[in-house]
Amino acid sequence: AQSVTQLGSHVSVSEGALVLLRCNYSSSVPPYLFWYVQYPNQGLQLLLKYTSAATLVKGINGFEAEFKKSETSFHLTKPSAHMSDAAEYFCAVRSGNTPLVFGKGTRLSVIA
Amino acid sequence: DTAVSQTPKYLVTQMGNDKSIKCEQNLGHDTMYWYKQDSKKFLKIMFSYNNKELIINETVPNRFSPKSPDKAHLNLHINSLELGDSAVYFCASSQEQGGSPLHFGNGTRLTVT
Repeated sequence: AQSVTQLGSHVSVSEGALVLLRCNYSSSVPPYLFWYVQYPNQGLQLLLKYTSAATLVKGINGFEAEFKKSETSFHLTKPSAHMSDAAEYFCAVRSGNTPLVFGKGTRLSVIA
Repeated sequence: DTAVSQTPKYLVTQMGNDKSIKCEQNLGHDTMYWYKQDSKKFLKIMFSYNNKELIINETVPNRFSPKSPDKAHLNLHINSLELGDSAVYFCASSQEQGGSPLHFGNGTRLTVT
């Protein structure tokens, strides 16, 4: 069975500071990993995905994530936070043709 | 040209009623899903359909019945609504391949009073 653990249900950063959202996964087969963002009262939007190509994946809005097999991690980063980044972020794992399994989400707050 | 659209956006109803949520995707995807997001934002898979056939049915009460008339549509019918059914329900679609991301609709907020 596959699972995802997101460390920290709430992360708060200052505008312009580094954003780091942590995600660890568990999967018995090579995983596909995803980060999604959910703005208030909206659906989920794909930020980026890892599908066994480059381990450093660049996504939209300046976000990137690095797949580290030895650490079973897929942390999301952004060098400089913007107020518009405030949202809920979900890490998710998929193996084979199974549906996405989501972590519990991390709410990002950006302080002016 | 919305990719995954679901209706209605909001649904307020009383306990015991029966309601439906509709979902359509115009991406040509093979697989469609229903997810439930609870008040703590946790997302859990309910159903998965591939080419109109049910392939996953998690431990969901049988009051919930998905119906897929064709591979572009996946509707969710709920009988005898209960207070605990209040949540946001998301429809999604993807290609069958595991590396394909899911594309989500904007959700239906169901409130049962």
